[in-house]
Amino acid sequence: DIQMTQSPSSLSASVGDRVTISCRASQGIRNDLCWYQQKPGKAPKRLIYGAFTLESGIPRRFSGSESGTEFTLTISSLQPDDFATYYCQQHNDYPITFGQGTRLEIK
Amino acid sequence: EVQLVESGGGLVKPGGSLRLSCAASGFTFRTSTMNWARQVPGEGLEWVASLSGDDAWIYYTDSVKGRFTISRDNAQNSLYLQMNSLRADDTAVYYCVKGDRWSGWDSWGQGTLVTVTS
Repeated sequence: DIQMTQSPSSLSASVGDRVTISCRASQGIRNDLCWYQQKPGKAPKRLIYGAFTLESGIPRRFSGSESGTEFTLTISSLQPDDFATYYCQQHNDYPITFGQGTRLEIK
Repeated sequence: EVQLVESGGGLVKPGGSLRLSCAASGFTFRTSTMNWARQVPGEGLEWVASLSGDDAWIYYTDSVKGRFTISRDNAQNSLYLQMNSLRADDTAVYYCVKGDRWSGWDSWGQGTLVTVTS
């Protein structure tokens, strides 16, 4: 199985801050990686697919990058609406696996 | 607009059964791989099962093999999850999700809560 190690598990930041969340795959997954945002009581919403392609309608302050088996989600300037939990997911092979999640909180 | 609406969740005793349904609209259902995922309240996301559009292949996570069955009715644009021999650790919000291995998962339903308790 492909393990996705996501870090940090939680993060406190202020509006306007730049934040990065990382996900490391235990083996190569090409760019078969998505990032999701989830707010309490709601379903996950896809932000990025193919490791760095922004979903339609998602603000450009969100971006994704890849370096080998290391993937990064960056929010360039945090907005109040961005405080949520973020997950990475690999869909390269079954079983499909998720990172443990990063809870982004207001400092 | 893609819409996925789950139903069928509820309270069930250990060892019991439940059938979840997902009504799909806004896309070509019969050619779309569909999935079930779940989330224990307050915890992370877990993939449960996937089914190709033409019923050619099915995958299950190990913990549900032999107990859960994913199926679909392309004429009714509906996805199902038959859950038997339910256990307390199956308690979770279950999501219906559209997406495949090549482009990822792009649309999620709102979820339906399954609670397994005596």
